[in-house]
Amino acid sequence: EDQVTQSPEALRLQEGESSSLNCSYTVSGLRGLFWYRQDPGKGPEFLFTLYSAGEEKEKERLKATLTKKESFLHITAPKPEDSATYLCAPGGSNYKLTFGKGTLLTVNP
Amino acid sequence: GAVVSQHPSWVICKSGTSVKIECRSLDFQATTMFWYRQFPKQSLMLMATSNEGSKATYEQGVEKDKFLINHASLTLSTLTVTSAHPEDSSFYICSARDGQNPAYEQYFGPGTRLTVT
Repeated sequence: EDQVTQSPEALRLQEGESSSLNCSYTVSGLRGLFWYRQDPGKGPEFLFTLYSAGEEKEKERLKATLTKKESFLHITAPKPEDSATYLCAPGGSNYKLTFGKGTLLTVNP
Repeated sequence: GAVVSQHPSWVICKSGTSVKIECRSLDFQATTMFWYRQFPKQSLMLMATSNEGSKATYEQGVEKDKFLINHASLTLSTLTVTSAHPEDSSFYICSARDGQNPAYEQYFGPGTRLTVT
């Protein structure tokens, strides 16, 4: 059975304080590791797809990296508008995504 | 690009009635659409996968006779919650995959908040 664990469950940062979110996964036949951002009461917003170990992708203050069993989302000098829940989801067979519980990030001004 | 819409954004219905939620891909053809349910402070749980023109595939524990899914065209899928009860109150979110893109990305709609009284 595919499993995903995200840590920490919640993270509170001061504006400008960099940190990383972790996603550990076990999935048979990985077909991509996906990161999404979800604001309260809204659907997830696509951020990144990583397909192979060693791959990195960046978008503004966010950088996602992938190993064989983990993915990290690094947040550099975050701003209050980066506050959201960040979800990771490995992709398996039949294009299905298995979502973790997410990390609730709060960035204080 | 890759915009998915849902309608309605919220709905309140009485116990025992049925509710239909629409999911549309606005700028791409979605050969595959997915329906998720999300309870407060929980993650997204996949309910079913639908492919255009064929029957939906439901996840274990999801009642197919209660949650009717129709994927009649490449841009529209509907979820009908039949004989709704208060325990069906939740946030329902659809996603769609671009059939002309070999990648696995799913693009999500804004969600529908269902409250059953």
